[in-house]
Amino acid sequence: DSGVTQTPKHLITATGQRVTLRCSPRSGDLSVYWYQQSLDQGLQFLIQYYNGEERAKGNILERFSAQQFPDLHSELNLSSLELGDSALYFCASSERAGSSYNEQFFGPGTRLTVL
Amino acid sequence: QQQVKQSPQSLIVQKGGISIINCAYENTAFDYFPWYQQFPGKGPALLIAIRPDVSEKKEGRFTISFNKSAKQFSLHIMDSQPGDSATYFCAASTPGYQGGKLIFGQGTELSVKP
Repeated sequence: DSGVTQTPKHLITATGQRVTLRCSPRSGDLSVYWYQQSLDQGLQFLIQYYNGEERAKGNILERFSAQQFPDLHSELNLSSLELGDSALYFCASSERAGSSYNEQFFGPGTRLTVL
Repeated sequence: QQQVKQSPQSLIVQKGGISIINCAYENTAFDYFPWYQQFPGKGPALLIAIRPDVSEKKEGRFTISFNKSAKQFSLHIMDSQPGDSATYFCAASTPGYQGGKLIFGQGTELSVKP
């Protein structure tokens, strides 16, 4: 158990809908990262937050957004969902940001299925 | 230049054998190279990591070999066990204000036969 929690575990929804994925980092970790895992694209970085501030963006679609709250939990919002958005979404947390030497611990993921 | 290329895509090893997975990168700004292990239905778990100022790091049966000049690094699993059967990902990241995000290789599916 990494100490990172994600809810829900599974999410099934229809095209055009909007969903929210939630992540609670390990106790004491200030940085949260979101990754998408799909069969064709592998593990791709989406977005990073540090202590409530957005730090870096990766291959994140404009239909997707995220935020990190004062209690450090983070939410990833996916809207106007398309079939291709079906994937595993992982949250990871680390103690620091800006340094490469910080270990990232991954949550169990949310499996999103768009029908 | 942000890519990390991983090979092989899949690997079958006999119990007790050595599993070797290779990764190559182009971006010389990368300065942290972790390996993750992922079982079906689970999140990636950090296995072992290395910095470029070290050529080798060993933790138990797992060893990372790092060749800075060739821009390659590899994971060696000694005395491979059926319980090691999983997907392994190499990754790399850069320092700096926006650093820390991991760039992953495509993964290697390891199967250790009893």
